[in-house]
Amino acid sequence: GESVGLHLPTLSVQEGDNSIINCAYSNSASDYFIWYKQESGKGPQFIIDIRSNMDKRQGQRVTVLLNKTVKHLSLQIAATQPGDSAVYFCAERLYSGGGADGLTFGKGTHLIIQP
Amino acid sequence: GAGVSQTPSNKVTEKGKYVELRCDPISGHTALYWYRQSLGQGPEFLIYFQGTGAADDSGLPNDRFFAVRPEGSVSTLKIQRTERGDSAVYLCASSLRDHRDTQYFGPGTRLTVL
Repeated sequence: GESVGLHLPTLSVQEGDNSIINCAYSNSASDYFIWYKQESGKGPQFIIDIRSNMDKRQGQRVTVLLNKTVKHLSLQIAATQPGDSAVYFCAERLYSGGGADGLTFGKGTHLIIQP
Repeated sequence: GAGVSQTPSNKVTEKGKYVELRCDPISGHTALYWYRQSLGQGPEFLIYFQGTGAADDSGLPNDRFFAVRPEGSVSTLKIQRTERGDSAVYLCASSLRDHRDTQYFGPGTRLTVL
């Protein structure tokens, strides 16, 4: 079935560098995308979201880019810090009425920050 | 304010036993969700409550799983005749009004079935 997936299971970056985490989705009916951060032993923490009528959204040190043409989502983290080490999930939501009302998550990318 | 809370944080049970997992959503949140997360995987949707009613239970794997939210606040996920394959972290999330709003997750309950 259609699902959200990630290109890389692990990403290692130097502290202070920028990180880019990628996500591919296959369901063109999805209208809303979210990035979550999950630290060991904790629940997913909301980072940033974007709706399908946008192609870019910025937050504090984070930017999400959406390319609907190639069904690609990315999360950019500027000047990574040790506290950014975690597993990052992208999630999608189908257009209301088009399927389950829950989010569909990818498998996650483990971001490791090297000192 | 307080976030989503879940109890217990860990639950160990034996195969065939019955378990209940509790979720306290963020105060004032109408929508509540249950997800299950296996090791190394992303969360998988189980059920969504809008108020007291289950608006979407399409993610429940079989009839051993059941959830209630009798007063529109606290929810309980119930698993009958547990199997080793039920071992996972069970996550609860809530959102302000409905599934179009941002979902905020609790810390989860780690269920281990021996």
